[in-house]
Amino acid sequence: DAGITQSPRHKVTETGTPVTLRCHQTENHRYMYWYRQDPGHGLRLIHYSYGVKDTDKGEVSDGYSVSRSKTEDFLLTLESATSSQTSVYFCAISGTPDGTNEKLFFGSGTQLSVL
Amino acid sequence: AQSVTQPDIHITVSEGASLELRCNYSYGATPYLFWYVQSPGQGLQLLLKYFSGDTLVQGIKGFEAEFKRSQSSFNLRKPSVHWSDAAEYFCAVARGGYQKVTFGTGTKLQVIP
Repeated sequence: DAGITQSPRHKVTETGTPVTLRCHQTENHRYMYWYRQDPGHGLRLIHYSYGVKDTDKGEVSDGYSVSRSKTEDFLLTLESATSSQTSVYFCAISGTPDGTNEKLFFGSGTQLSVL
Repeated sequence: AQSVTQPDIHITVSEGASLELRCNYSYGATPYLFWYVQSPGQGLQLLLKYFSGDTLVQGIKGFEAEFKRSQSSFNLRKPSVHWSDAAEYFCAVARGGYQKVTFGTGTKLQVIP
């Protein structure tokens, strides 16, 4: 499996507080993604990055921001968490150093609860 | 816009029986199609993918899927299910790369002895 580490694995926070989730990869893959998974919705793309400092919005980007200052790290920030952002968040990577982009590898997820 | 429909939310099969999970997609051109599996508390693992060529695709763990353009379908099959196959299965469609992947809502598979 690809080397993807998400931290924290679990987090409980209160409405209105800022939250940052971290995704760290050791594979030197070009693309990084943040998804959220909710029952009845499958996985939905929040934001993705196609290089250092290059990011774009996904399907459900409202209320989220991202940053990628290094190839290996992709941060997802909830500026002011709301209960609707309670979800499981997955980081994924694709785009190998040799230029192929045939597999999307997922991290193990972060369970976020906003009370 | 592309979309994916997995009509079965939950399926129960007996161990050793055959399995077919349905997936229908909506996309104007030839899509990239995927099946992923998710075990409880884990991330998603790619089972197989279709980009072009042979419409019958072989994957890991004995799974296969067939792309049928006329039916806009990409159903997942396995001839004999094992108890370890119990998991949630997601079909996904993309247009050229992973930047715009749309996932279905998933099908939970239960395997009974």
